[in-house]
This record gives sequence, structure tokens and C-alpha cells, in this order.
Amino acid sequence: IVMTQTPLSLSVTPGQPASISCKSSRSLLHSDGKTYLYWYLQKPGQSPQLLIYEVSKRFSGVPDRFGGSGSGTDFTLKISRVEAEDVGVYYCMQSVHPLTFGGGTKVEIK
Amino acid sequence: QVQLVQSGAEVKKPGASVKVSCKASGYTFTSYDVNWVRQATGQGLEWVGWMNPNSGDTGYAQKFQGRVTMTRDTSISTAYMELSSLTSEDAAVYFCARWTAAHTFDYWGQGTLVTVSS
Repeated sequence: IVMTQTPLSLSVTPGQPASISCKSSRSLLHSDGKTYLYWYLQKPGQSPQLLIYEVSKRFSGVPDRFGGSGSGTDFTLKISRVEAEDVGVYYCMQSVHPLTFGGGTKVEIK
Repeated sequence: QVQLVQSGAEVKKPGASVKVSCKASGYTFTSYDVNWVRQATGQGLEWVGWMNPNSGDTGYAQKFQGRVTMTRDTSISTAYMELSSLTSEDAAVYFCARWTAAHTFDYWGQGTLVTVSS
């Protein structure tokens, strides 16, 4: 399954919203009724950290300004008010075997 | 707290093998699969494979079949990934990550830089 993210990069003014799109080449809806789509943030020099699992569920400790939505093949990560600590590269990932990642979206602060 | 601590950076010649370790703490090592993901410099993330530390069962991405071996030592809560026949294209940071019941990774190691150079 090929994961395509847009845009490649995003420059955002602090306090403004940001949105990242992720499209999969096949539906990520599993026969068990779950959709295995995830979002990660990799801050500069760090390992990736889980933000969102199963499309829209925030991982423990993730601020509520991060929200995920979508279904089937089209998914979106929205940051309601970008903060300086949100800079880094955002990746979507699907875990319908074999697991694949999107190419990443770099978020910078204006 | 959950921690995955990986071994240090490696420099290898083309054709050689590299073995990276990932020591788990803060949880029961045999209760969660360990996966490996790599990232070439300035590039995206690429899944390498998984291992069940309890059974030793493994599964590898097709690209790495025949070249990668994942093992573990449960007595020291450590997982290993060995990659053989290295080429310059294998130069990357290799991460281990804990696989959860939600079908994703919740904790990652700090990464191990593997350099392949003659």
C-alpha cells in the first residue's frame, strides 16, 4: 500500500491552524472494522512519536490541538493552533500488512 | 517508565554484516513484539520487520528477506537485528520500536546510525 502525503512542507504562523493530507492506494478499513491509520511526529534529532492511532484517537499525553479524521483512503491531520514545539516532520503510517509510511510533511514556524 | 535503549553507532565495510541491539526496560519484554524501522539520512521511514520476543517468531519486509535476522535474549530483555551483505544503500539510522495491541508503535529506541563505507 502506497501512502501519499501532501504538502511536502508547511510554514505556519504560531497560533494558526495547519492541515496535512494522507492518501492510501487501498482502503485501510480492515475486516475487523478498524482502520489502521496512524500519525507520527519526528522532531529534529529525535525518534518518531505517536500522535494519533486508528485515524482519530489521540495517544496518551498528546495535546487536544491535534486531531485526526478520514476514512477509507483519505485521511487528514489537523493542528488547530500550531505552537513552536510542533515543528518537525509528520508521517502517516498504515499497518495493514506490510506496514508502510507516507513520505513525510515538514512543518516549520514562520 | 518504558525505555528502549539501542547500541551505539557502527561503521561497516560493504559486504559486511551489522548487529544492532535494543534493550527493553520498564515493561515485560516478552509481552510486546519488537519491530525495526530504518531511516536513511534526510529520508523517510522504512519498515524492516518484526519479532515476537516470547516465541521468537519473525516476519521481514520482502525487500530484506534473506539478509536480515531478528533474534532476542529474554534473559536480558534485549532484541537484536542483524543485516548482512551491506551496501551503501543500507546506510541509515535503525530504530527499534514496541508494537502495541492498537497495531502501531508506542515507544521507540533512540536509533543507531549504521555507516557503510570502504
